[in-house]
Amino acid sequence: KQEVTQIPAALSVPEGENLVLNCSFTDSAIYNLQWFRQDPGKGLTSLLLIQSSQREQTSGRLNASLDKSSGRSTLYIAASQPGDSATYLCAVESYNTDKLIFGTGTRLQVFP
Amino acid sequence: NAGVTQTPKFRVLKTGQSMTLLCAQDMNHEYMYWYRQDPGMGLRLIHYSVGEGTTAKGEVPDGYNVSRLKKQNFLLGLESAAPSQTSVYFCASSYSTREGLGEQFFGPGTRLTVL
Repeated sequence: KQEVTQIPAALSVPEGENLVLNCSFTDSAIYNLQWFRQDPGKGLTSLLLIQSSQREQTSGRLNASLDKSSGRSTLYIAASQPGDSATYLCAVESYNTDKLIFGTGTRLQVFP
Repeated sequence: NAGVTQTPKFRVLKTGQSMTLLCAQDMNHEYMYWYRQDPGMGLRLIHYSVGEGTTAKGEVPDGYNVSRLKKQNFLLGLESAAPSQTSVYFCASSYSTREGLGEQFFGPGTRLTVL
């Protein structure tokens, strides 16, 4: 059974710092991995999707990497801003399942 | 495009009452999902659909039923609400690619309280 873990559960950093969020999964037979952002009281917004054949994806100040063989992904946020404060979730799609398994998220606070 | 919309946004029920949550998407997506999100439990899949007229059970299906009579709509029903079903419910939709699912798009959520 696929299990997705995110460490740390919460993170507080000063503005301008570069930071890394971690995601690990137990079964490497995946089609893809997605990173989402959730603001308080809102739904999830997809940030990046990495196919299993890819090593990384970039969008603006965000860079996500995928190491399928070791069951790990990282989300790198460059030059963090207070507006980046949110909960970040990763999710994987295992082979032949048509659904995502989510981690419990990392709650990020960026203070001025 | 409105994306994924959910109705209602808030609801309070008494134990034993029934209700239906409506999810609609205008992106012509094949796949639709209902999740619940509880503190400390993360996002858990209730039911999902891989196309019009199809439904399947997720991780926590007990106490819920679903229907997908039209491609754009996915309904979640609670036949006899229980306090354990107090939660925030999210609907999502996705398309398929040659390498699995594409991005998943989420609605704004329905906050349900069962007294």
